[in-house]
Amino acid sequence: DAKTTQPNSMESNEEEPVHLPCNHSTISGTDYIHWYRQLPSQGPEYVIHGLTSNVNNRMASLAIAEDRKSSTLILHRATLRDAAVYYCILSPGDSNYQLIWGAGTKLIIKP
Amino acid sequence: DAMVIQNPRYQVTQFGKPVTLSCSQTLNHNVMYWYQQKSSQAPKLLFHYYDKDFNNEADTPDNFQSRRPNTSFCFLDIRSPGLGDAAMYLCATSSLTQNNEQFFGPGTRLTVL
Repeated sequence: DAKTTQPNSMESNEEEPVHLPCNHSTISGTDYIHWYRQLPSQGPEYVIHGLTSNVNNRMASLAIAEDRKSSTLILHRATLRDAAVYYCILSPGDSNYQLIWGAGTKLIIKP
Repeated sequence: DAMVIQNPRYQVTQFGKPVTLSCSQTLNHNVMYWYQQKSSQAPKLLFHYYDKDFNNEADTPDNFQSRRPNTSFCFLDIRSPGLGDAAMYLCATSSLTQNNEQFFGPGTRLTVL
């Protein structure tokens, strides 16, 4: 199974953009890239996903490298409520249930 | 609001004493999952149901069993909990029409004494 690697932790200032990187050099052509986040004492929640093109939604943007070996989750204006563990995940295109989780990046937001 | 509910939020059991964790959903999703999450680790899939079809992950110990009596409910049974089974247990659901977006409950934290 393809794996993802992420920094263990990152810090950012409140109301500034945050770029969370993820490497997935062994990704296959049909693997989707998902991001979930887990706030303290809660279950994970879906953030965004994509296959090849960059994606935007109300929570974040996902920038996918042209060779798909890396991606970046962008929070445009981080708030204290965005402090969480962010997981970069691969979802094989031939599976309708499997999520291959990275170790996660703990995002610390400084006021 | 449609949601995934887990009860109880905190469960304490004794070494070797069977315990059941429950999950219910109001999303009417046909897939339900059980994950185990240990401290500072990513969730690890134990098994999932697609409707009534049970799918066990290859490395899930036999000590863990599950039941899904209907669409809304799913149970995790730990037959003989060991100290190593202390963890957060997460239930999730998904609909096959939604790009495998999974909706998680708040989790049940299991303590084994």
